[in-house]
Amino acid sequence: LAKTTQPISMDSYEGQEVNITCSHNNIATNDYITWYQQFPSQGPRFIIQGYKTKVTNEVASLFIPADRKSSTLSLPRVSLSDTAVYYCLVGPTSGTYKYIFGTGTRLKVLA
Amino acid sequence: DSGVTQTPKHLITATGQRVTLRCSPRSGDLSVYWYQQSLDQGLQFLIQYYNGEERAKGNILERFSAQQFPDLHSELNLSSLELGDSALYFCASSVSTGGVDTEAFFGQGTRLTVV
Repeated sequence: LAKTTQPISMDSYEGQEVNITCSHNNIATNDYITWYQQFPSQGPRFIIQGYKTKVTNEVASLFIPADRKSSTLSLPRVSLSDTAVYYCLVGPTSGTYKYIFGTGTRLKVLA
Repeated sequence: DSGVTQTPKHLITATGQRVTLRCSPRSGDLSVYWYQQSLDQGLQFLIQYYNGEERAKGNILERFSAQQFPDLHSELNLSSLELGDSALYFCASSVSTGGVDTEAFFGQGTRLTVV
């Protein structure tokens, strides 16, 4: 499984765009990149997933450069309710896969 | 609501005791995963079952065991409990064996307190 590295914590202010970068230098050809969000005392929740270039949904965008050795989760105009831990996961699309969560990035949104 | 149901929500028990945590996956999901999350710690993967069979094992202690039943619900058994076992225990389910492109849905967790 590809090892991932994320910043431990980040602070932002309401209304700002937040970009969280994940490094995954040894990503494999058939690996996808997935981001989960976890609020305190709740289970993680899927945010977005991608393989290459850019993916956008109603809550976030995911940017993946051509070499796929990193990815950036972009949260537009964050609010206080976006304060959470964000996890980057990298893994294959087939076979037995263990959803291994790293330490994640603790995002704190300030008023 | 993720569709994954965990019971009980809270559990307080004494050291040395044994408890059983229950998880009902989303309808149609064949894979069940168990995680342990201690205070301010990350999610530690414990074990995965797929359609009744163990598929992957993480850092699960020998005092812990799990199984998945024919109706696909799963139970995590924790025995000889120690104070350090106090944590949130999450169950997740996915439709397949769990390629990462398959979204995992998490329950609300069982908070275990060992006193």
